[in-house]
Amino acid sequence: DAGVTQSPTHLIKTRGQHVTLRCSPISGHKSVSWYQQVLGQGPQFIFQYYEKEERGRGNFPDRFSARQFPNYSSELNVNALLLGDSALYLCASRFGQITYEQYFGPGTRLTVT
Amino acid sequence: AQKVTQAQTEISVVEKEDVTLDCVYETRDTTYYLFWYKQPPSGELVFLIRRNSFDEQNEISGRYSWNFQKSTSSFNFTITASQVVDSAVYFCALGRTGGGNKLTFGTGTQLKVEL
Repeated sequence: DAGVTQSPTHLIKTRGQHVTLRCSPISGHKSVSWYQQVLGQGPQFIFQYYEKEERGRGNFPDRFSARQFPNYSSELNVNALLLGDSALYLCASRFGQITYEQYFGPGTRLTVT
Repeated sequence: AQKVTQAQTEISVVEKEDVTLDCVYETRDTTYYLFWYKQPPSGELVFLIRRNSFDEQNEISGRYSWNFQKSTSSFNFTITASQVVDSAVYFCALGRTGGGNKLTFGTGTQLKVEL
C-alpha cells in the first residue's frame, strides 16, 4: 500500500504570495494532520482534520488554513507568505480519531524569498 | 503546557559503538504518550515506538531499546552496535491521551555514525 503522499516536493514562492500544499493519506485513514518544521527544529503542530472537520489547531496565525475532502485528502493554504514561513511542511495520517500511530509523508519544502 | 527537551544537539560515534539519546519531558497530564521518530535526510519521519505513561516496562526491539522512567520524566533511546544507516535526526515527542494528532516534539538529536 502507498504511504502518505504530498505534493509538490519543493516550492519557491515570493513574499506576499499564496501557496497550497496537498496531502493524500494512507488508504483507509480518515485523520490528517499538518506540521511545520523549520530548519533545525522539531515539527510544530498546525492542524488536525478528522472526517472533514477541524479537530485541532496549533498556534499559527489565520493566514494558515486547511480543509479535508470527502476522499480524506487535505490541502494546507498559506496566505500572504512571510520569509519565516520557509519550512518543511509535513502531513501525517492515521486511521481514526484516537489511534495513536500516525504516519508521516515526505513533506513539502517551501522556500519564501 | 507540554514540553520536550532533547539536550543533545549532535552526537558522533564510530560504527559499532552504543549510543544513548536523551529525552526529558514536562506535562501536567496524568496519562500521556511518548514517541520516538527517526528523520533521515529524505525528510520523512519514521515512527519507531509509542509508550503509554502507565507502562514503565523497558522495551527492546533488535538493536533499539527504550528506557522510560516516569520518576525522572525521561524516555531515553539506546542504539546498540550503531551502524552508518542509523545516521539521522531523532525526535522525541509527547502526545496527550485523547488529544488527537497533536504531538509536541523536541528539537531533535542529530546522530552521525562514522566508519
